Amino acid sequence: SQTIHQWPATLVQPVGSPLSLECTVEGTSNPNLYWYRQAAGRGLQLLFYSVGIGQISSEVPQNLSASRPQDRQFILSSKKLLLSDSGFYLCAWSTGMDEQFFGPGTRLTVL
Amino acid sequence: GNSVTQMEGPVTLSEEAFLTINCTYTATGYPSLFWYVQYPGEGLQLLLKATKADDKGSNKGFEATYRKETTSFHLEKGSVQVSDSAVYFCALSPNNAGNMLTFGGGTRLMVKP
Repeated sequence: SQTIHQWPATLVQPVGSPLSLECTVEGTSNPNLYWYRQAAGRGLQLLFYSVGIGQISSEVPQNLSASRPQDRQFILSSKKLLLSDSGFYLCAWSTGMDEQFFGPGTRLTVL
Repeated sequence: GNSVTQMEGPVTLSEEAFLTINCTYTATGYPSLFWYVQYPGEGLQLLLKATKADDKGSNKGFEATYRKETTSFHLEKGSVQVSDSAVYFCALSPNNAGNMLTFGGGTRLMVKP
């Protein structure tokens, strides 16, 4: 069966510091991968998606970036965090057909 | 473009009450429709889905019927439990755009004992 992992589970970072969040998927090949952000009490905002290694599409221009160095690895990064980057970050995968499957999320607090 | 509209919450019910969370959508063609549930501090879990008109998705006592004539996919449960307290998201996937999901804003359900 397929599983999706995210780490760290929680993170507290100062403004201006770098960020690296990791997502890995097991049990499937060539998945579509997605990064979402969920601000407190809000819905989901799609940040990036990827249909293959090195292929990244950005949905919202901001100080975040994403990379896919391996087939089942998706990384969300920032060189300098802003207060507004605080939120709950969710990674998801799909086969390209219908539903997406979500990871447990990373709660990021920027102070 | 595609959009999903959900009733705003929070919805507060007593245990064993009947639940309805409204969801309407705008999309071209024949999208697939989903309900996801998010328990506190966790990621989203797929609750149920329907892929064509008049299909009924069901799981854990929850049901939703794909109504193309009213472009709706309302979530219902006959008797809610405290453990159903969570945020519920309605979503659609266009049939011609891979599976890029469009989510509604989410509805928080609080069930009191």
